[in-house]
Amino acid sequence: EVQLVESGGGVVRPGGSLRLSCAASGFTFDDYGMNWVRQAPGKGLEWVSGINWNGDSIGYADSVKGRFTISRDNAKNSLYLQMNSLRVEDTALYHCVRSGGYSYGGDGFDYWGQGTLVTVSS
Amino acid sequence: DIVMTQTPLSLSVTPGQPASISCKSSQSLLHSDGKTYLYWYLQKPGQPPQLLIYEVSNRFSGVPDRFSGSGSGTDFTLKISRVEAEDVGIYYCMQCIQLPPAFGQGTKVEIK
Repeated sequence: EVQLVESGGGVVRPGGSLRLSCAASGFTFDDYGMNWVRQAPGKGLEWVSGINWNGDSIGYADSVKGRFTISRDNAKNSLYLQMNSLRVEDTALYHCVRSGGYSYGGDGFDYWGQGTLVTVSS
Repeated sequence: DIVMTQTPLSLSVTPGQPASISCKSSQSLLHSDGKTYLYWYLQKPGQPPQLLIYEVSNRFSGVPDRFSGSGSGTDFTLKISRVEAEDVGIYYCMQCIQLPPAFGQGTKVEIK
């Protein structure tokens, strides 16, 4: 059974930093691209960032480019999102999401984690 | 960026009756590889989204056959042949032919 379990969310002041983690199990992690997709309270879905199977292809939404960094450790079956210079508008539930193939984004998303909540507030 | 537009934004359906959701993209989702990169998801209350349909019309593993997808180019439809109580939630379409992947606004389906 595919499982994606996020952690690392919390409350942070504007300008602060957080590092999200996603522990993957139930599949061969380095066969798949991975993504972060967020959902602001009561709002829709927004793709944040993606990384291909070996980490040599990465993409970001314009809204987070230059502030967020995605990475993965295939030996640990883990995905990460380093979030710096956080803004109030980054407040959301952040889901770890598996791509349908080796790349990110272009193969669709098939499995989603429950998410970890990030709240940016003064 | 490609913009995805869903209609209606909300739908109230009697159990056993059909339901239909439209999704339109601002650009064609047909790739040169012959595939059309349009996906449908259902987010049940309190749960993460779950994949229903991939590449316009292919049901994902375990998805009941009352769900079907159709369309081409820029116009797509998700149909539920006979709505059941467990189908309540928000339905999203998504394109991934071009980065960034983009979702529709969502269609909230409730039971009458």
